[in-house]
Amino acid sequence: EIVLTQSPGTLSLSPGERATLSCRASQSVSNSYLAWYRQKPGQAPRLLIYGASSRATGIPDRFSGSGSGTDFTLTISRLEPEDFAVYYCHQYGSLPRAFGGGTKVEIK
Amino acid sequence: QVQLQESGPGLVKPSETLSLTCTVSGGSISSHYWSWIRQPPGKGLEWIGYIYSSGSTIYNPSLKSRVTISVDTSRNQFSLTLSSVTAADTAVYYCARGDGYQKYWGQGTLVTVSS
Repeated sequence: EIVLTQSPGTLSLSPGERATLSCRASQSVSNSYLAWYRQKPGQAPRLLIYGASSRATGIPDRFSGSGSGTDFTLTISRLEPEDFAVYYCHQYGSLPRAFGGGTKVEIK
Repeated sequence: QVQLQESGPGLVKPSETLSLTCTVSGGSISSHYWSWIRQPPGKGLEWIGYIYSSGSTIYNPSLKSRVTISVDTSRNQFSLTLSSVTAADTAVYYCARGDGYQKYWGQGTLVTVSS
């Protein structure tokens, strides 16, 4: 069973700044089947990235994903007001599927 | 545009069975995988399991003994039952499309386990 550890737990930044979020897996994620979601309060998660680096339909290019094996990164190049939210990584390369514990991006 | 909507009781008594249904609109339930995911208040996401439209299922081992996911293609619905619930099962329950990453999600429904 793969365990995903996200860091930091909370990221305090200002609008326009760059955000770098980490997701580390306890074992290699098969085929880099790693997704990222953004969740705003009271809403369902929204898919941002799949396959570690492919942007989902309609996702702006300020979001980028990278990594392979056990280390993955989500980068938001310039934070917009709607980006202050919680972000989850999700591995779907093996069973059971697993989510990370989340990183909260808050306004500094 | 595919839309999903969860429905079911918002309050379940301890030791009883939680039952939820997800209605899919804007597309056929056939030839796709469908998932259930939950989120306890203030906490992270937990994968529960998924079903293919043919009826084959995969469950999270941590819940496997208590979970059943079923599908009704004639109604374009799939369902979740979770038996012997406790307060730890209090969560927002989401239905979603896909067995891997999930692009389409329902809005979620809060189920509280309390007497």
